[in-house]
Amino acid sequence: DTGVSQDPRHKITKRGQNVTFRCDPISEHNRLYWYRQTLGQGPEFLTYFQNEAQLEKSRLLSDRFSAERPKGSFSTLEIQRTEQGDSAMYLCASSLGRDTGELFFGEGSRLTVL
Amino acid sequence: AQSVTQLGSHVSVSEGALVLLRCNYSSSVPPYLFWYVQYPNQGLQLLLKYTSAATLVKGINGFEAEFKKSETSFHLTKPSAHMSDAAEYFCAVSERGSARQLTFGSGTQLTVLP
Repeated sequence: DTGVSQDPRHKITKRGQNVTFRCDPISEHNRLYWYRQTLGQGPEFLTYFQNEAQLEKSRLLSDRFSAERPKGSFSTLEIQRTEQGDSAMYLCASSLGRDTGELFFGEGSRLTVL
Repeated sequence: AQSVTQLGSHVSVSEGALVLLRCNYSSSVPPYLFWYVQYPNQGLQLLLKYTSAATLVKGINGFEAEFKKSETSFHLTKPSAHMSDAAEYFCAVSERGSARQLTFGSGTQLTVLP
């Protein structure tokens, strides 16, 4: 399968714990995006990388959130000191970088904070 | 700033009936417009996109959408619904020339009745 892959698919954690999600984009894609989707809502933009550079961050991305893409390939999204409000589906997407806006999404990582 | 409004969070149609899902957008510059579909436990899949060519856009699975600048709309239609069309549908907008991210609507859940 050469699509966008995310790991883990599901994560249940206790409030206050740290969690990390990984995204492997389509191999030739140089742009990588993280979105968050809560029940009944559309995906909301969190952050975006072009190669290894993090070019844009949403105000939704509080100080407890950090994303990296160290070698311009896979990316990680870490949430420190999780809160119940962090429970959501975290979606990763990638694109070729052409300005058509077409993104290819992974299946998401669902986080439940107890 | 850009935004998307999807009228109707839930739409039910009978199998074989016309599907019409409404989307209105707001954008300060000419937009790119997209419809994505999300099946349960799957990632978002691109149905179709408008990027300034023909205003009537045809997508996969028999869906099409028409860009109407005067009405700032991009409604999704399908002449005859199939049971397999049951899913959640998201309209999204990005700004032409600065298409670093998509802004999504809140989604419309389509139910197809036998």
